[in-house]
Amino acid sequence: DAKTTQPPSMDCAEGRAANLPCNHSTISGNEYVYWYRQIHSQGPQYIIHGLKNNETNEMASLIITEDRKSSTLILPHATLRDTAVYYCIVRAGKSTFGDGTTLTVKP
Amino acid sequence: DAMVIQNPRYQVTQFGKPVTLSCSQTLNHNVMYWYQQKSSQAPKLLFHYYDKDFNNEADTPDNFQSRRPNTSFCFLDIRSPGLGDAAMYLCATSRQGYGTDTQYFGPGTRLTVL
Repeated sequence: DAKTTQPPSMDCAEGRAANLPCNHSTISGNEYVYWYRQIHSQGPQYIIHGLKNNETNEMASLIITEDRKSSTLILPHATLRDTAVYYCIVRAGKSTFGDGTTLTVKP
Repeated sequence: DAMVIQNPRYQVTQFGKPVTLSCSQTLNHNVMYWYQQKSSQAPKLLFHYYDKDFNNEADTPDNFQSRRPNTSFCFLDIRSPGLGDAAMYLCATSRQGYGTDTQYFGPGTRLTVL
């Protein structure tokens, strides 16, 4: 699985969009980009995934660059409940979690 | 709702006393995973089952074993827990284990070793 790089922490104001970047420069053609989040003391929760195209669901949007070497997870209207560690994972099989980004949503 | 269940949520054991953690799923997924997550660290994959085939990670200590008696259940056995094994243990499932394959995680079991 390709290695990912994420900033260790980010802050976001409640109600604003949260944009979480991820670098995966060694991604190969068959590897998907997955995003999970882990709220304190809970199991990781699936958010979204994509291969090439941008994706959107009820939780978030995923923007993948054309060369697929980086992606951005967008939470359009962050709430306090979105405070969590966000993991970007590149996989074609079992997941290897990196250190993730701790997102703190502030009132 | 289909889900991944872990019991117990909190487990206390003594140094060197064997302990078993359990995981069950109602998703009928082929793959079941066990992760170890120590405080302030990312989850680390210990091993996984693809159906009945066991796949151990290269750096998983021999102290950790697993059993999968049927599709629904998977167990993590720690034969002689040390203080360094105190962690959150996460069970996850996925349908096929490759390609576009979402993992579904249980709530975890927090293990304390006294």
